[in-house]
Order: sequence, then structure tokens, then C-alpha cells
Amino acid sequence: DAGITQSPRHKVTETGTPVTLRCHQTENHRYMYWYRQDPGHGLRLIHYSYGVKDTDKGEVSDGYSVSRSKTEDFLLTLESATSSQTSVYFCAIRTTVSDGYTFGSGTRLTVV
Amino acid sequence: AQTVTQSQPEMSVQEAETVTLSCTYDTSESDYYLFWYKQPPSRQMILVIRQEAYKQQNATENRFSVNFQKAAKSFSLKISDSQLGDAAMYFCAYRETGAQKLVFGQGTRLTINP
Repeated sequence: DAGITQSPRHKVTETGTPVTLRCHQTENHRYMYWYRQDPGHGLRLIHYSYGVKDTDKGEVSDGYSVSRSKTEDFLLTLESATSSQTSVYFCAIRTTVSDGYTFGSGTRLTVV
Repeated sequence: AQTVTQSQPEMSVQEAETVTLSCTYDTSESDYYLFWYKQPPSRQMILVIRQEAYKQQNATENRFSVNFQKAAKSFSLKISDSQLGDAAMYFCAYRETGAQKLVFGQGTRLTINP
């Protein structure tokens, strides 16, 4: 199984503070993704990356930025957290063309 | 934009019985992949089964099978001999061949009654 880890697993933060979530993979997969999971919406794509310094927006990208300076790391930043960004965040990697994705364990973020 | 719809927010089934979860999708493409993911209370996303649109034969993985109806844009998941460990959220997902994005449905919460 592809090694993918997310940190932190849980975080509580205050409105208006910046937050960075980290995704790390142990294999050199090109594609990495950030999703958020909310009840009634399933998983929605925030941003994704197709290589170092190559990123693109998903359907719910407002209020989020990403960076990928190394193949193995994909960071998601909330510049100024809002309560609407309270969610569970998943990182994923695409291992083969025909496969789905392999997901990290998720980060539960609460903005108070 | 492609959309995936799971019309059953919740389902329940007796242990050892069979249950079918529904999924429909909207696309104008002819070549794509469809997936079912399981998310138990641990929150981990687990790939259950995968179907390539160009294959007419329905995919099967042990007790899990799909009914893929391409013309109807329907992709249902059948779980046979339901077990307590099958209790989870189930997500249907779609990806175009050559596209980078996996599109998910809203999810169906499956409860197994002992």
C-alpha cells in the first residue's frame, strides 16, 4: 500500500488564524489531492497537484491555498480560518491511471 | 460538470441478508471509471470495487458486486451475506479517463442489524 500520512489528525483553531495541514507520501506519485468531507456533500475537491509547483483549483477552493515544493509533500493552508471551514480534510494520491485514489486518515479541523 | 448522485442517505439490512446501494451519474463521456469506497467509523477511505466503463462485465470482489448500466448511467453496489463489519458510509465516485479529478456522491450510511 502506498504510504500517505496526514498531520495533524485533529486540530481546533480560532476564527481568523492561519492553519496549515500537511500531507506526506513515501512514494513518488505525481498526483496529490486535498478534499473536504461534509455531511450531505460527500467529498469535494479543494485543490490538486500534478507535480512540484504545479497545482490547480477544485470546486471548493475559495479560502484555501496549497503548495508543493517537494514531490512527497502537499500542504493545504487556510489563510484566515472561518467556521465554514470546519470539516474533515482528506489528502489523496493517485497510484495508477486506472485506480481510484489512496487516502490519508483525514484531519478533523474545528474552527471556533 | 459531472455529477454523482446517491439518493439513499441511509440504508439498513439484517445481518446475512443482501442489500443494494444506488448510484447514478451524469456525463457525456464514453470512457470513464466508477468506484465504490467504504468509510467505516475509523474514517479511513477504503476502495471496495472498481468498474471500467468500456467493460460490459460487472465487477465482483468477493461479497461485493456491481450492476453497471451504462445507458442508464447507473452503478449500484450489491453486498451479499451482509456482515457487521460492513457497517459504514459508502461513497460512489466517478473519474473520466485522462482526467485528474475524482467526483464523489453524497454517501449512503449503511447499518447492519444483528
